[in-house]
Amino acid sequence: EADIYQTPRYLVIGTGKKITLECSQTMGHDKMYWYQQDPGMELHLIHYSYGVNSTEKGDLSSESTVSRIRTEHFPLTLESARPSHTSQYLCASSDLAGSAYNEQFFGPGTRLTVL
Amino acid sequence: RKEVEQDPGPFNVPEGATVAFNCTYSNSASQSFFWYRQDCRKEPKLLMSVYSSGNEDGRFTAQLNRASQYISLLIRDSKLSDSATYLCVVASFYNTDKLIFGTGTRLQVFP
Repeated sequence: EADIYQTPRYLVIGTGKKITLECSQTMGHDKMYWYQQDPGMELHLIHYSYGVNSTEKGDLSSESTVSRIRTEHFPLTLESARPSHTSQYLCASSDLAGSAYNEQFFGPGTRLTVL
Repeated sequence: RKEVEQDPGPFNVPEGATVAFNCTYSNSASQSFFWYRQDCRKEPKLLMSVYSSGNEDGRFTAQLNRASQYISLLIRDSKLSDSATYLCVVASFYNTDKLIFGTGTRLQVFP
């Protein structure tokens, strides 16, 4: 069982609010990722990090921002939520020394609904 | 055209059946391939990596055809617990830390 946690699991919020989605892992992994997934659709990478103070944008353009001040923590922030941000957000981590080449371990996800 | 394409299904099969899923990828230089499993409203989990020579893990067999840019997953003796969506995943050629996911193929095993 992967030790990667996301909070909140579900969030319903009004337009214009600032929100932060939390992601923490206790596996000591250097690499962390944020994906967005709509129902019935593929996962899209929106942000990733190679380690502390490293953040990169993924393939899908996103208005969100991320930070990596500690190895275990990779929060995602939306400054002003809009209905178009409604989606599931999945956090993942990986380690080169993991059990399978490039295996990524996923958290349970946050389902965000913006009204 | 999507970088990774899969038949979305659903595949409805009885217990004990053998079922095969296919996937194609567009970048011929891709090097790493995987099958992930995603249960309904849950997170994806690695099912198996796909090696060039093909590989087997219990009832699951994965194969790679580089010439046709084609990956397959065979499930033998299907169980009710195999019901899930199976995601074909390719590591980006330009950055192997970036995984490219297919939309998934849904499998429903019935008694």
